[in-house]
Amino acid sequence: QVQLVESGGGAVQPGRSLRLSCVASGFMFSSHGMHWVRQAPGKGLEWVATISYKGTNKYHADSVKGRFTISRDSPKNTLFLQMNSLRPEDTAVYYCAKDLGDGGYDLHLDYWGQGIPVTVSS
Amino acid sequence: QSVLTQPPSASGTPGQRVTISCSGGSSNIGSHTVNWYQQLPGTAPKLLIYSNNQRPSGVPDRFSGSKSGTSASLAISGLQSEDEADYYCAAWDDSLNGRGVFGGGTKLTVL
Repeated sequence: QVQLVESGGGAVQPGRSLRLSCVASGFMFSSHGMHWVRQAPGKGLEWVATISYKGTNKYHADSVKGRFTISRDSPKNTLFLQMNSLRPEDTAVYYCAKDLGDGGYDLHLDYWGQGIPVTVSS
Repeated sequence: QSVLTQPPSASGTPGQRVTISCSGGSSNIGSHTVNWYQQLPGTAPKLLIYSNNQRPSGVPDRFSGSKSGTSASLAISGLQSEDEADYYCAAWDDSLNGRGVFGGGTKLTVL
């Protein structure tokens, strides 16, 4: 069965960095687009980033552009989100999600991880 | 302010049919398919409808989706207490070199 397991979250001071990882299993990781989506406390879902199946195409939300970078290591079935220059408004639960397709451009997120909390506070 | 607009709340009694709307623009719903996600309290979101009106395996046929122009709707018939959840629409958007966009979410209450 498909599993997505996030790690790397936690509490961090503003301006510091974190790298989230998402280990995938149960499907052909190298054939699917992947996404990061976050949810601030008590708020709705916010798309963060998308990467195509080969890693060739990457897209980031304006709110994180220049600070966050999505990447993947297909031989290790792992998705990453490098988060630099963290701000209090980045505080959220971060979800890793698999796309039905290879590009990710249809936002068909058919499997989600359990989510990992990130808290940015001094 | 979300790019896709949903009503913040909706409600119905068991057995009723309820609909949730999602309004967008030419760069998102007008150009791409719409997806719907259900989020039960304290859990990760779940794909409910993709490509406007397709149900993933395991989703009951009580849930249906439609799209017209730059708007979309999710309909739930035979409402059940376990349908009480937050519902989000989502689509790809061609502006700003490409991005994903979600609606603000609709909290469905089963009275």
